[in-house]
Amino acid sequence: AQSVTQLGSHVSVSEGALVLLRCNYSSSVPPYLFWYVQYPNQGLQLLLKYTSAATLVKGINGFEAEFKKSETSFHLTKPSAHMSDAAEYFCAVAIFSSGSARQLTFGSGTQLTVLP
Amino acid sequence: ETGVTQSPTHLIKTRGQQVTLRCSSQSGHNTVSWYQQALGQGPQFIFQYYREEENGRGNFPPRFSGLQFPNYSSELNVNALELDDSALYLCASSLGQGRQETQYFGPGTRLLVL
Repeated sequence: AQSVTQLGSHVSVSEGALVLLRCNYSSSVPPYLFWYVQYPNQGLQLLLKYTSAATLVKGINGFEAEFKKSETSFHLTKPSAHMSDAAEYFCAVAIFSSGSARQLTFGSGTQLTVLP
Repeated sequence: ETGVTQSPTHLIKTRGQQVTLRCSSQSGHNTVSWYQQALGQGPQFIFQYYREEENGRGNFPPRFSGLQFPNYSSELNVNALELDDSALYLCASSLGQGRQETQYFGPGTRLLVL
């Protein structure tokens, strides 16, 4: 079975500090991995995705993630946090479920707080 | 903006009632998925429709059903509502069936069952 685990349900950083949100995956086949962000009372917005083309993936709003097969990780980083980055972040892996459906399996999320 | 819209934004129902939630996908997207997101949790896959046919379902009972229409709109129907059905319901549209395809999410419908 394929799954993702997000380490740390809450992360706090100071404005201007490095953001590091951790995601580890479990997959028996080459994974397709995604990071989504959810602002309060909104849906999910795609930050970036890994589809095996390059191990370092750059996304929107200055975020990037590196796929490390040896560590089964896909951690999300941003060099300098901004107050507007405060939100919940979800890591997800795309799998084939029953029938021919392709579903996203999400981690439990990490709430990022940015302190002034 | 993802181009995916959902209605209504909020809904209050009582236990045992039925509810219909609506989603309008991005133009040209032939695949729509529905997810349930309980408070404080990640979204859980309910089912997926491809070219108006259900082609996969997560661990949800048959009282969760859906429809997809040729005009890229879709519905999620839930019968015999239970208190645990209170959640944010998200639809996501995508083009094609590949695992690498991005799913674009709508803003969700927040359902409260009393």
